[in-house]
Amino acid sequence: EIVMTQSPATLSVSPGERATLSCRASQSVSSNLAWYQQKPGQAPRLLIYGASTRATGIPARFSGSGSGTEFTLTISSLQSEDFAVYYCQQYNNWPPCTFGQGTKLEIK
Amino acid sequence: EVQLVESGGGVVRPGGSLRLSCAASGFTFDDYGMSWVRQAPGKGLEWVSGINWNGGSTGYADSVKGRFTISRDNAKNSLYLQMNSLRAEDTALYHCARDFTEGAVAGAFDIWGQGTMVTVSS
Repeated sequence: EIVMTQSPATLSVSPGERATLSCRASQSVSSNLAWYQQKPGQAPRLLIYGASTRATGIPARFSGSGSGTEFTLTISSLQSEDFAVYYCQQYNNWPPCTFGQGTKLEIK
Repeated sequence: EVQLVESGGGVVRPGGSLRLSCAASGFTFDDYGMSWVRQAPGKGLEWVSGINWNGGSTGYADSVKGRFTISRDNAKNSLYLQMNSLRAEDTALYHCARDFTEGAVAGAFDIWGQGTMVTVSS
């Protein structure tokens, strides 16, 4: 099973600043990597798939990059509604698909 | 409106069984693969099981293999998860989720239900 490791566990950033979240796979997942945002009491929301393609309705301040084993989610200018938990997920060679443990993005 | 609504959760004793349902609306259900993803209280996301558009291909996490069975009824726009031999560690909020692309199972999910809670406790 492919293990996904996210860093950092918690990231403190001020509104308006840039946030960079990392995700590493234990073996190559090509570009079969998705990012989700989850707010308390809500279901996850798909942000990025194919490592870099924004899902429908996702603002342009969210961008994804990487391939193979190293991936990054960048939020260019944090808005108040962006503070949440973010998960990466690989879906290469389903089944299974596996999630990272999450990065909590909090207000500094 | 595209929507997934889960039901069937509850409190069950260790070793017991439960059947979860997910009702889909607002899209052509049999165009998409579907999955169950769970989240234990205060924890992260764990994919549990998935099924392709016609039920011909299924997959399970090792943690549930041999105990859980996924199925679907396209005539009823519904997804199911039969859970047997339940353990305390199966306690979680169970979401159903739609694959983000039509056709073969992709394993990433663009539509999620709000979930149904399963508690395994004596």
